[in-house]
Amino acid sequence: GAVVSQHPSRVICKSGTSVKIECRSLDFQATTMFWYRQFPKQSLMLMATSNEGSKATYEQGVEKDKFLINHASLTLSTLTVTSAHPEDSSFYICSARVQFRGTYEQYFGPGTRLTVT
Amino acid sequence: AQKVTQAQTEISVVEKEDVTLDCVYETRDTTYYLFWYKQPPSGELVFLIRRNSFDEQNEISGRYSWNFQKSTSSFNFTITASQVVDSAVYFCALKETSGTYKYIFGTGTRLKVLA
Repeated sequence: GAVVSQHPSRVICKSGTSVKIECRSLDFQATTMFWYRQFPKQSLMLMATSNEGSKATYEQGVEKDKFLINHASLTLSTLTVTSAHPEDSSFYICSARVQFRGTYEQYFGPGTRLTVT
Repeated sequence: AQKVTQAQTEISVVEKEDVTLDCVYETRDTTYYLFWYKQPPSGELVFLIRRNSFDEQNEISGRYSWNFQKSTSSFNFTITASQVVDSAVYFCALKETSGTYKYIFGTGTRLKVLA
């Protein structure tokens, strides 16, 4: 099956710094990738849809200047949390979309746990 | 609007008991897909099943079975003879078939299987 990786798996940063999370599709090309955020004991909430070569589409309530998304190639999307604060501490999961049997499927990465101190 | 409801926040069972996790969905689409994912403590989502709206056949995979009923907009998941390793959070999700093909996740059910 399709494999999606994320790096790093876990990161701790200080308040006010920026942190970049990478999402890679390892054995397929993905024109579209998604970024989700999951707070402890809560569901996955879609943050943004990332399309290769164009600007990301952000969900309502997600600050695009704070969560910078770059989808520079068909196998890589990055999420940069700028000027991170403790409330940004969360589990960030990406997924990559691929066409399969006439429809689109999403394959999820293993997630990145961000802790802002 | 699309919505997925998992009314059971947390369920505890004793090992070897059967347990059913409920999922109720709302959608205006005539074509849609439903999913179940398992999220163990490590956090990685584990795909369990995908079902399209035209296939109402129930499915069994080992100790897992799924009951899809369009009449009640439900897609319930049963684990037979539960084991401690089944302890996890289980998410039901709905996929739109238009626009961005977004997944809408339910709030999850935390299953604790006690030895």
